Order: sequence, then C-alpha cells, then structure tokens
Amino acid sequence: SAVISQKPSRDICQRGTSLTIQCQVDSQVTMMFWYRQQPGQSLTLIATANQGSEATYESGFVIDKFPISRPNLTFSTLTVSNMSPEDSSIYLCSVQGDTRGEQYFGPGTRLTVT
Amino acid sequence: TQLLEQSPQFLSIQEGENLTVYCNSSSVFSSLQWYRQEPGEGPVLLVTVVTGGEVKKLKRLTFQFGDARKDSSLHITAAQPGDTGLYLCAGALVDYKLSFGAGTTVTVRA
Repeated sequence: SAVISQKPSRDICQRGTSLTIQCQVDSQVTMMFWYRQQPGQSLTLIATANQGSEATYESGFVIDKFPISRPNLTFSTLTVSNMSPEDSSIYLCSVQGDTRGEQYFGPGTRLTVT
Repeated sequence: TQLLEQSPQFLSIQEGENLTVYCNSSSVFSSLQWYRQEPGEGPVLLVTVVTGGEVKKLKRLTFQFGDARKDSSLHITAAQPGDTGLYLCAGALVDYKLSFGAGTTVTVRA
C-alpha cells in the first residue's frame, strides 16, 4: 500500500483567507481523491484529481472554492479559498490502490476557521 | 445521498463481547471495502471483498459480502479496547469512486 503524507496536519485560519493543503505519495499513482470529513462523521468526496487533466468535482463543490493541482504522479494540492467557519473540517487525500475500489488515505488536515 | 446505509450508528460494548456492523444498499457494487479510523488519523483499509457470498477473516474480524453484492457485515469476536474506532464501509462505483456509509462509532470498554 502507498504511504501518504499531508501538510499541514492542522491549521487555524481567519475567515476570508485561503489555505493550500499538500498531499505527497511515495509512489506514482494515477488517481487521487480529496475528501472532507466532519469529526466523527463519514467522508464526502470533493473531487477526483488525475495527472494531466482537470479535476472532476462532485455536486456541491466548485473549482473556484476548491482549486486542485496535480502537477505529477506523486503530488497534489487542494486549496480552500475565501474560507468561512462552515469550511472547518478534516480534509483527506487518498490514492487508488491495486484493486478496484481500494483507496489509501493520508492522515488528514484538520482545519478550523475562526 | 448515501448509497450505503450503515447500522448501528453507535455501539458501546464491554471487552470480550461480540459485535456486528451492517452495511446495506439497493445498489450492486463491484467491490466493498471496510475501513477503521482512529481520532486524528485517516481511515485504514481493513479488507476488500469482491465476490458475492465471500467471507474473509482478519484475526477476530469476519467480513461477509452478500450474495447479490449489495450488502456486507463486519463481525468482531471477543472485542478488545484496541478495536475502538470509527468503522466505515465503502462501495466501489464504476468510475473508481467510493460511496461511503455513515460510519459506526465503536467503543469497547475495558
């Protein structure tokens, strides 16, 4: 399984600012995913990021609010733009595993917006 | 809208007891995954089931995939405090995305 790291692990941000979250994988992967998770709750997919193409966003998530970069097969970033307290959440990246449906997750970034 | 209904939402048991978590859907999945997540960490993949009727065992954990590939269960025998965590089931969709259940918070009291 892939080893995934995320930076920062947590942050407290002011309303109206932006935060960029980094996701680094120790091997080359085609598909990467970004999720949002409220503490103690399930995961909601924000977007799928494939290298060499535009990210595909799920219903309720837009590129202006959550721009994603995927410059190579081991790295991706998610930016949370113009933040509001409602954006306070845990943000997770994951990568596709060898078997269809398997995903491996990073440790998450806990974001608090004040 | 979640395709997978997971139950129960919360489960608190004494060490040594058994527990079962259920994951049900009206949709057919090509595979289904179970994850465990501890506070401050990302979900960790426990198992993938692919074939209808498949049963997999991981030490004290038994996973079953329904014959029609629409439902699954996780059974823990003789639960230990180390089994405490958020258990998530997830079904694989045709485009490699996952549909997650709402999660079951399991607390095992010593």
